[in-house]
Amino acid sequence: DGGITQSPKYLFRKEGQNVTLSCEQNLNHDAMYWYRQDPGQGLRLIYYSQIVNDFQKGDIAEGYSVSREKKESFPLTVTSAQKNPTAFYLCASSTTGGGSGANVLTFGAGSRLTVL
Amino acid sequence: QKEVEQDPGPLSVPEGAIVSLNCTYSNSAFQYFMWYRQYSRKGPELLMYTYSSGNKEDGRFTAQVDKSSKYISLFIRDSQPSDSATYLCAIGSASKIIFGSGTRLSIRP
Repeated sequence: DGGITQSPKYLFRKEGQNVTLSCEQNLNHDAMYWYRQDPGQGLRLIYYSQIVNDFQKGDIAEGYSVSREKKESFPLTVTSAQKNPTAFYLCASSTTGGGSGANVLTFGAGSRLTVL
Repeated sequence: QKEVEQDPGPLSVPEGAIVSLNCTYSNSAFQYFMWYRQYSRKGPELLMYTYSSGNKEDGRFTAQVDKSSKYISLFIRDSQPSDSATYLCAIGSASKIIFGSGTRLSIRP
């Protein structure tokens, strides 16, 4: 079955540590996205990528980094510079890119990061 | 003012009731309107997608868009306990998608 796989599902981190969240898709989608979800807030865009080796900052990119070396993979690193990293992180993909509202997003199951 | 406003709930209704979920938005540049359903500890899944004013029906679900009032709604008929989830509205323009904060819905058996 085609879909998006995020790992790990749960992750605990000590303050000052970088962590990397994995996102893999087998939908052959060109565009991939990372969102952050906090209670009482809508999904907020961290980064997105339309094609391999290219990505753009979203609304809350500070303290995060990404790479897009393969079409299928879009890992997110939460760095120690992110002041409030505890959140639910969602990876998504769409057939075409640009962050346009015309695109239908397919989401992964999410990764919950807790900073101790 | 937020670009999209959604009542967070929680909303609790008995099984079989008609549920109405609503969002308002502020910018008429938004042309695409979506509803996503999110079960606890899962990712959102697309329920409805439309880009025109009026109603769009899919089974027990009806999405309604009123562009003149900048108001979108999702109606659920004959609600079931399995409909208990958080419902996120989303609006899109040519360059971005904005999500509402979600309404938590609980259907009581």
